[in-house]
Amino acid sequence: GQQLNQSPQSMFIQEGEDVSMNCTSSSIFNTWLWYKQDPGEGPVLLIALYKAGELTSNGRLTAQFGITRKDSFLNISASIPSDVGIYFCAGQRTSGSRLTFGEGTQLTVNP
Amino acid sequence: DVKVTQSSRYLVKRTGEKVFLECVQDMDHENMFWYRQDPGLGLRLIYFSYDVKMKEKGDIPEGYSVSREKKERFSLILESASTNQTSMYLCASSIQGLNEKLFFGSGTQLSVL
Repeated sequence: GQQLNQSPQSMFIQEGEDVSMNCTSSSIFNTWLWYKQDPGEGPVLLIALYKAGELTSNGRLTAQFGITRKDSFLNISASIPSDVGIYFCAGQRTSGSRLTFGEGTQLTVNP
Repeated sequence: DVKVTQSSRYLVKRTGEKVFLECVQDMDHENMFWYRQDPGLGLRLIYFSYDVKMKEKGDIPEGYSVSREKKERFSLILESASTNQTSMYLCASSIQGLNEKLFFGSGTQLSVL
């Protein structure tokens, strides 16, 4: 199965900094998703994007569905220690089909 | 509170052993999935099921099988465990037609020695 290319693989930032990560694919997805995995837990859905060009926010998190439908971006503003974890992008080709996940971005926030 | 429960948090097995990983969900979801998580490789789909007694291969089914005798329970079976199956295993469920909204268990860290 195809993997999505997610970058960066890891980030070490200071509390209060903004964070950006992205996900790219060589083929089109009709839905893009961002999940977060807290240490010792399973991933949890943060944001779902259903339309090319769509920009959606969830608190300090903002995600965008790229207009080519081959990429997506996640921004976190004013990071806090509880933002620590692994962030996964995921793409879905058609409604109801299974997801393809990226490799994950490990985020560390220093207080 | 909705829940996906994996029977073991940590498991240590020997090469060649038959291993069962159990997953139960209390949300009456039709769809259930087994993923493995490895650093740098993300989440890779092993098997999934859209109904009782139904199963479909994912991207890396070799060395694994599954069982879904009841709607709420989905078991992953390693017929003869090998060291390259040492990994974090995650179970997930979703409502039929809403596979983008997966609910994950906390994972089982399996070590095969």
